[in-house]
Amino acid sequence: NAGVIQTPRHKVTGKGQEATLWCEPISGHSAVFWYRQTIVQGLEFLTYFRNQAPIDDSGMPKERFSAQMPNQSHSTLKIQSTQPQDSAVYLCASSLERVGAETLYFGSGTRLTVL
Amino acid sequence: QQKVQQSPESLIVPEGGMASLNCTSSDRNVDYFWWYRQHSGKSPKMLMSIFSNGEKEEGRFTVHLNKASLHTSLHIRDSQPSDSALYLCAASDQGGRALIFGTGTTVSVSP
Repeated sequence: NAGVIQTPRHKVTGKGQEATLWCEPISGHSAVFWYRQTIVQGLEFLTYFRNQAPIDDSGMPKERFSAQMPNQSHSTLKIQSTQPQDSAVYLCASSLERVGAETLYFGSGTRLTVL
Repeated sequence: QQKVQQSPESLIVPEGGMASLNCTSSDRNVDYFWWYRQHSGKSPKMLMSIFSNGEKEEGRFTVHLNKASLHTSLHIRDSQPSDSALYLCAASDQGGRALIFGTGTTVSVSP
């Protein structure tokens, strides 16, 4: 079991450019989550999918962020027109299900730096 | 919006000492609490979970939960330098909402 795989590990973009982050959940896990972590804000929830369907995107900045899960083996988080305040570590996690009591397994994260 | 508050923000503990961390949720619908540990440069990993009132012990780690006050605490006895990390409290309900995390307590164990 390779765990949750996130690529790339590091990404540097210029202000206004687009960034796409990739996540491969643990095989057999049906729920996938995106969080971002900064020193100031801590670990913030962005969005999650269950069985590929979007369930909750209440944490997503609406205008520039979007997430998709086209199949059960990968999810993407796209940030358009990146801004310096988008700089953070973006963490993907998966769990067996999402009915309340399941443990989340996190990937190693993608560190996004917007210059 | 649900908030998870943790205290203290940081803690220095002598090696072999006891560390006590606190966490409270502002959402009365919360049913489940977790403690995750994140070493520097690594991703969070689940340490312990507690869903019922009372106490749960695993090795040097003990978790308490008081559901009436929505308060949980984590105690680390005989602290080791390897326990130095960011400890994150998280909470969720039975409705399947995503886990909400507190901002964490940074524990430093001094040799």
